[in-house]
Amino acid sequence: AQKVTQAQTEISVVEKEDVTLDCVYETRDTTYYLFWYKQPPSGELVFLIRRNSFDEQNEISGRYSWNFQKSTSSFNFTITASQVVDSAVYFCALSEAKTGGFKTIFGAGTRLFVKA
Amino acid sequence: ETGVTQTPRHLVMGMTNKKSLKCEQHLGHNAMYWYKQSAKKPLELMFVYNFKEQTENNSVPSRFSPECPNSSHLFLHLHTLQPEDSALYLCASSPLGPISYNEQFFGPGTRLTVL
Repeated sequence: AQKVTQAQTEISVVEKEDVTLDCVYETRDTTYYLFWYKQPPSGELVFLIRRNSFDEQNEISGRYSWNFQKSTSSFNFTITASQVVDSAVYFCALSEAKTGGFKTIFGAGTRLFVKA
Repeated sequence: ETGVTQTPRHLVMGMTNKKSLKCEQHLGHNAMYWYKQSAKKPLELMFVYNFKEQTENNSVPSRFSPECPNSSHLFLHLHTLQPEDSALYLCASSPLGPISYNEQFFGPGTRLTVL
């Protein structure tokens, strides 16, 4: 069965600090996709990144970076030099190829507070 | 209007009322989803529609009744709800159907309170 665990319920940092959000997943499928979404106070989830199970290259996009490690089944998300606008709930999600997008499973989310 | 819109944004209803939530996507996508987001619970997938056909009903109680008249519109009809149904209801869409690698585009949600 597929499962996504985000052990950090809430994280509070001061602006300009770096912060890492953890995501651990479980799947029996060999082909799967991992996602990160951001949910600001306005409510809608915003897609940030997708990674497939065959691509373990880390990715950097501006202040955001992602570390995908199949050996530990983790897909962690780091925000460098955090800003107040980064305050949101962040969700990690998993979609298995065999079940398709019907069964995208979301983690419980990590609420990030960035204080000025 | 762009993206995914949802109306109303807030809804308060009694347990005997009947109401409907509306979702509209302006992205030309083929798949649409309803999710329930409760406090302290992960996002729960409720229904999936692909090209207007329901492809997933994730064991949702019959007091929630979805309707998808076309690929751009999705409704969630509510009747005889319970207080535990109070939650944020999110609509999403994705291109090319609910394929595993498709990211989903979400609306702002309807905050539902059942008294």
